[in-house]
Amino acid sequence: DAKTTQPTSMDCAEGRAANLPCNHSTISGNEYVYWYRQIHSQGPQYIIHGLKNNETNEMASLIITEDRKSSTLILPHATLRDTAVYYCIVRVDPAGGTSYGKLTFGQGTILTVHP
Amino acid sequence: KAGVTQTPRYLIKTRGQQVTLSCSPISGHRSVSWYQQTPGQGLQFLFEYFSETQRNKGNFPGRFSGRQFSNSRSEMNVSTLELGDSALYLCASSLDPRQGRGYTFGSGTRLTVV
Repeated sequence: DAKTTQPTSMDCAEGRAANLPCNHSTISGNEYVYWYRQIHSQGPQYIIHGLKNNETNEMASLIITEDRKSSTLILPHATLRDTAVYYCIVRVDPAGGTSYGKLTFGQGTILTVHP
Repeated sequence: KAGVTQTPRYLIKTRGQQVTLSCSPISGHRSVSWYQQTPGQGLQFLFEYFSETQRNKGNFPGRFSGRQFSNSRSEMNVSTLELGDSALYLCASSLDPRQGRGYTFGSGTRLTVV
């Protein structure tokens, strides 16, 4: 699985958009970008994923650059409950048999949402 | 529906002892993965079971083992505990382990080795 690079920490004001960047310059053509987050004392939670098109769901939007070397997770209206560690993960899916069950987590970005 | 259940939530053991942790996946999920989380190493993949077979294994010593039962419940065992095994152990279940969006994590078992 390709390596990802994320800023160690970011701040955001409540109600504003939080834009979390991720670099994955060695991503392969069949690797997806996934975002998970971990709120203190809980297990990680799936947020969104994409291959090359921008994606949106009820939680967030994912913007992937045309060359796929980087992406941005957008939380459109951050709340205090969005304070968490956000992980950007790249992995082969669904045909990559050797990645069965394995998510490779980096250090993630600590997002702090301020009142 | 019920989420992923891990028991116990907290555990204190002494060096040299062994420990067994349990994970009950979401009903219908046949894949269970285990992760270790420490402040220094972050989240690291231990192993994954699908239909009672270990499909993938991380880079951990043989003291770490697991198994999965016919009802998909899984157990993880650590023998000859070391201080460095103190960690949050998380399990995740999935309907299809090939699809990264499908992983649902439990709240973990916090193991302290003294």
